[in-house]
Order: sequence, then structure tokens, then C-alpha cells
Amino acid sequence: KNEVEQSPQNLTAQEGEFITINCSYSVGISALHWLQQHPGGGIVSLFMLSSGKKKHGRLIATINIQEKHSSLHITASHPRDSAVYICAPSIYGGSQGNLIFGKGTKLSVKP
Amino acid sequence: DSGVTQTPKHLITATGQRVTLRCSPRSGDLSVYWYQQSLDQGLQFLIQYYNGEERAKGNILERFSAQQFPDLHSELNLSSLELGDSALYFCASSVVLAGGRMLFGPGTRLTVL
Repeated sequence: KNEVEQSPQNLTAQEGEFITINCSYSVGISALHWLQQHPGGGIVSLFMLSSGKKKHGRLIATINIQEKHSSLHITASHPRDSAVYICAPSIYGGSQGNLIFGKGTKLSVKP
Repeated sequence: DSGVTQTPKHLITATGQRVTLRCSPRSGDLSVYWYQQSLDQGLQFLIQYYNGEERAKGNILERFSAQQFPDLHSELNLSSLELGDSALYFCASSVVLAGGRMLFGPGTRLTVL
């Protein structure tokens, strides 16, 4: 069983739609990162959160430590949001960069 | 410009060979992390250095080693290469030991033939 489960694996949306990507994990964590990987391969760190909610532009990330669940929301989606989104918790007791990774959610936003 | 630089961008080599991947962190960042992304295993944490010292080890093979130099750049050495070592190798940096949002380099794509 994977320690990090993301859903859905693939997601196709129309431009303007509200998108939710879910992440569940089974280990104790100190924080959780959401990463974005574009088709060219580059990785961008979107959020690091250890509780509650963070917002950056059209992106919102939430985490519930007790339920071991995090969500990434994209409001008013745009074709440029098309990418793979990866949930990556930091294992409790390890360094913040000692991450375990979900398999990613491939998002395609159609105009 | 991401602030984290990695060289080379692409590397093609043969089985049994040894290669060195280089990473220069964002100016001021003391922590450097190495990750491997392969088709089989996905993304995996390999190793972390902080201000020249090894701080955390992940799924790094014994054939692989790393170091961080006084100018904070880091090198990942891969030896006795196997076909399965073909992957994207990312370096990331962060300013404090505890991390925070990290900045990733563009990656080095290693192909072992």
C-alpha cells in the first residue's frame, strides 16, 4: 500500500472550472508540500503547510492533520494550469525536504 | 531563472561508468536536497546536505554518494551505472534546516545505455 495516495490520477477540465485534487497519507508528518511539474519536467513548489489553509492567487491548499488528508483547489482553471500536481509529505522527525511522494495527478484544462 | 542551477542538463553514458551531477543552490540557501525521478519509482528523496554536512539520507544506493562544498554547491556522484539509474535528478535548496518552500533546479536527465 502506498503511503501517499492521490486522487484522481487524471483530470480533464474545461477552462473556468473549479478543480480539487485530494491527497491522503498514512504516516506521521511534520508538513506537506504541493508541487507542480510542467510537461517540460521542471518542478515548482506551490505550498508547504502544516495546518489549516494557504492561498496563493487562484490556488488554495488545505490540510487536516487528524484526518491525514490534504486538498489542492484551483479556482477559475486555465489551460496554463495543465501540469502534474504532486503531494509530498515530510516525514515526522525527518528534515522538511525528506519527502515521500504521491504518484501525481495529471491535470489537463481545455480552452 | 530558477535560482538553482544544475549541470549538465543532459547526460548520456554507458553501463558501468561513473558520472558527477552538479548543483548550485539559490544564493543564501544552506540546505541542498537531491531527488531522483524515474519512470519505475517516481520521485524519491536521495539525500540532504546542510552547510556542508550530511543531514538526512533517503533511498540512496551505496553506488551513489554526494557532498556539499564550502561554497555550498553540491555534487552527486553515481558510479557503476546501471540501466535502471536512467532518470531525472533534481536538486532543490532551502534557506533554513527545516526547509519551507523549496526551490527546485531544472534537473539533469541521465540516460544510461
